[in-house]
Amino acid sequence: QKEVEQNSGPLSVPEGAIASLNCTYSDRGSQSFFWYRQYSGKSPELIMFIYSNGDKEDGRFTAQLNKASQYVSLLIRDSQPSDSATYLCAVNLRSNTGKLIFGQGTTLQVKP
Amino acid sequence: AAGVIQSPRHLIKEKRETATLKCYPIPRHDTVYWYQQGPGQDPQFLISFYEKMQSDKGSIPDRFSAQQFSDYHSELNMSSLELGDSALYFCASSLSGINNEQFFGPGTRLTVL
Repeated sequence: QKEVEQNSGPLSVPEGAIASLNCTYSDRGSQSFFWYRQYSGKSPELIMFIYSNGDKEDGRFTAQLNKASQYVSLLIRDSQPSDSATYLCAVNLRSNTGKLIFGQGTTLQVKP
Repeated sequence: AAGVIQSPRHLIKEKRETATLKCYPIPRHDTVYWYQQGPGQDPQFLISFYEKMQSDKGSIPDRFSAQQFSDYHSELNMSSLELGDSALYFCASSLSGINNEQFFGPGTRLTVL
C-alpha cells in the first residue's frame, strides 16, 4: 500500500462544474497536507495547504481534511479548461524534516 | 516574486558520465529539497538540506551526492549515469519547519543516452 493514494483518473468534468479530487494517506501521524497542480512537463505548483481538520477556502479552491478518516480532498468550483492538469496530493509525514510524500496524481480534464 | 532557480534546464549525457545540477532557493529560504520524477510517475524525494546540513535522505542512489553551500544554493552531483536516471529533477525550497510550504523550481530534464 502506498503511503499516499489518489485515483489516477482521468476525471472529466464540464466547464463550470465542481471538480472533486480525493486523497488518502496511511500514516495517522501525518502533519500537513498539500495540493499541487502540474501541467505536463512542468514543475508542481502549490495550490493549497491545510494542517487542521475542516475546510480551507482560497478563491475557487477548497481543501478539506479529515484526520480521523485519513482523508484530504480538493474541490475546484467553476472549473475552467485551464484547470486541466494533474493534481498531486502531498503529505508531510510525522518526521520533522519536511520531506513530502506524493500520491500518483489525478488527471483532471475540464471540457468546454 | 523571486522563485527557485535551477540550472541547467536540459542536460543530455552518455551512460557512465557525470552530471551536476544546481539549485538556487527563494531568498531567505533555508531548506532545500531534491526530487526525481520519472515519466508518468510522482515526484520521489531524494535528499534535503537545512542550514547547509543534510536533514533527510530518501531513495537517492549511492552514485548521487549533494550539498548545500554557504549561500544556500545546492548542487546534486550524479556519477556513473545510467539510462534509468533519465528523469525530471526538481529542487524545492522552504522556510524551516514541518508545516512550511515547499515551492518548486522549473526542473532539470536529464536525458541519459
